[in-house]
Amino acid sequence: DTGVSQNPRHKITKRGQNVTFRCDPISEHNRLYWYRQTLGQGPEFLTYFQNEAQLEKSRLLSDRFSAERPKGSFSTLEIQRTEQGDSAMYLCASTTGELFFGEGSRLTVL
Amino acid sequence: AQSVTQLDSQVPVFEEAPVELRCNYSSSVSVYLFWYVQYPNQGLQLLLKYLSGSTLVKGINGFEAEFNKSQTSFHLRKPSVHISDTAEYFCAVTDSGSARQLTFGSGTQLTVLP
Repeated sequence: DTGVSQNPRHKITKRGQNVTFRCDPISEHNRLYWYRQTLGQGPEFLTYFQNEAQLEKSRLLSDRFSAERPKGSFSTLEIQRTEQGDSAMYLCASTTGELFFGEGSRLTVL
Repeated sequence: AQSVTQLDSQVPVFEEAPVELRCNYSSSVSVYLFWYVQYPNQGLQLLLKYLSGSTLVKGINGFEAEFNKSQTSFHLRKPSVHISDTAEYFCAVTDSGSARQLTFGSGTQLTVLP
């Protein structure tokens, strides 16, 4: 499968714990995006990378969130000290033109 | 900044009937417009896009959409739906000068009834 891959697909954690999600984009795609989708809503932009450079961050991305894309390949999204409001689907997408989305990582914070 | 309004949160329709899912956008600049479909527990799949040229855009699975600049709309249509079209549909917009940072609507759940 040469699509966008996200891991883990599901994560259940207790409030206050740290979680990390990984995204493996399509190999030749230089742009990578993270979106958050809460129940009953459309995806909301969080951040994007051009190769290894993080070029834009949404105001939704609080200080507890950090994203990296070392060497311009895979990307990680870490959430520190999780809160119940962080419960959502975290979507990764990559592109050189058309956006291709992964299947998402669903986070449940208890 | 752009915004997208999907006027119907849920649309039930009988199999083989036509359907229209409505989308209106707001932007002060030229835009690109997209429709995505999301099946349960899956990511988003592109149905069709308007970048420029003909205002009637055809996509996958028999869907089409018409860009209407004066009404700032981009409604999605299909002349005859199937059970397998049951899914959540999202309209999205980006300004034509951006790095494709999409702004999505809140989605329309299409349910096709037998």
